[in-house]
Amino acid sequence: EPEVTQTPSHQVTQMGQEVILRCVPISNHLYFYWYRQILGQKVEFLVSFYNNEISEKSEIFDDQFSVERPDGSNFTLKIRSTKLEDSAMYFCASSEAGAGGPGGELFFGEGSRLTVL
Amino acid sequence: GQQLNQSPQSMFIQEGEDVSMNCTSSSIFNTWLWYKQDPGEGPVLLIALYKAGELTSNGRLTAQFGITRKDSFLNISASIPSDVGIYFCAGPLNYGGSQGNLIFGKGTKLSVKP
Repeated sequence: EPEVTQTPSHQVTQMGQEVILRCVPISNHLYFYWYRQILGQKVEFLVSFYNNEISEKSEIFDDQFSVERPDGSNFTLKIRSTKLEDSAMYFCASSEAGAGGPGGELFFGEGSRLTVL
Repeated sequence: GQQLNQSPQSMFIQEGEDVSMNCTSSSIFNTWLWYKQDPGEGPVLLIALYKAGELTSNGRLTAQFGITRKDSFLNISASIPSDVGIYFCAGPLNYGGSQGNLIFGKGTKLSVKP
């Protein structure tokens, strides 16, 4: 069964360092997303990406964050200068159609745990 | 802004019991999704609902899209130990709009005693 894969599964970094989290969405999906989940809290939307550009982003997704689809398969999230409060589980997701209707169901990866020291 | 309120926050039940949890909102949603999250893993889609009043089953799971479009419930019948996890409801952030990115409830944590 097709799945979203994410790397690394866990990354520990020093505050102020740059981090890149990688995702390979399901191959025939066109919409890509990043969500995050702080330990013990709910899943929060960061950004959606379609047709090689950001379609929506939340207040969390400030100038320190960026996304890129460098080739036909990878989708990356970059945090330029990590802060302690960036420590969380980051989930990549993809969908065939835009979320909100049939075909728009999001399929999530297993997540990348980021720990900022 | 839009919020999803889930209840109960947690449940401790005996294996074999039925479970019911719900999700409410002050805003109208045109889609309701139910996800399950196991510890250390990503949310897995259980059931998707697209029409008010719709009742959909997936094995022992049944979910309904409330007629007011402001609520949904999820039932699990004859619970088993592997049902343990956190159940989230989710819906598109903007009703009928844009890419419809999802907003999640805070989850119902289910514990099952064998």
